[in-house]
Amino acid sequence: AQKVTQAQTEISVVEKEDVTLDCVYETRDTTYYLFWYKQPPSGELVFLIRRNSFDEQNEISGRYSWNFQKSTSSFNFTITASQVVDSAVYFCALWNSGYSTLTFGKGTMLLVSP
Amino acid sequence: DGGITQSPKYLFRKEGQNVTLSCEQNLNHDAMYWYRQDPGQGLRLIYYSQIVNDFQKGDIAEGYSVSREKKESFPLTVTSAQKNPTAFYLCASSRTTAGNEQFFGPGTRLTVL
Repeated sequence: AQKVTQAQTEISVVEKEDVTLDCVYETRDTTYYLFWYKQPPSGELVFLIRRNSFDEQNEISGRYSWNFQKSTSSFNFTITASQVVDSAVYFCALWNSGYSTLTFGKGTMLLVSP
Repeated sequence: DGGITQSPKYLFRKEGQNVTLSCEQNLNHDAMYWYRQDPGQGLRLIYYSQIVNDFQKGDIAEGYSVSREKKESFPLTVTSAQKNPTAFYLCASSRTTAGNEQFFGPGTRLTVL
């Protein structure tokens, strides 16, 4: 079985604050991929990152960074110096070789106020 | 530009009517997917297709049907058997189903009156 848990339903921050979105996953496979997507109010999901299970290096892309820790089965996402445009629902997802599709978490709604 | 288009963006239907949601992609992807999203919920998979003329049921296929006659098209029909069809429907595609990132269309919001 595989499962993705995003325990934070909603987070509110003020602009310029740093914020971390948590993602915990469960899988029995050793080969898997983890993803983050952003869903702005318009509704379309935007792909942010894909990480495979053999690469535990942290990733930084501008104000975004991702921390992958197999020891805790977590793939957390940090936004540095948040901006109002970061307001969206963020989904974490998992794929493993036993499945043909992604398993999504329930999402975390991030509200960034000016 | 390459991408996924869904039409219409908003759709209203009366109870008891079937309705078909369109999804087209020009990314040359083999795999396509349909998801349903309800308020405050994650994405739930309805159907997916790994290749033309093939499709598989997802977690909530009851009351829905699909076809995949062309690589670029994957229409979803919401039938009158679907008990609670009001939701936001998202179509996606990926190169294959083997761990590739999925790209999403803008979605169709279906409301049953």
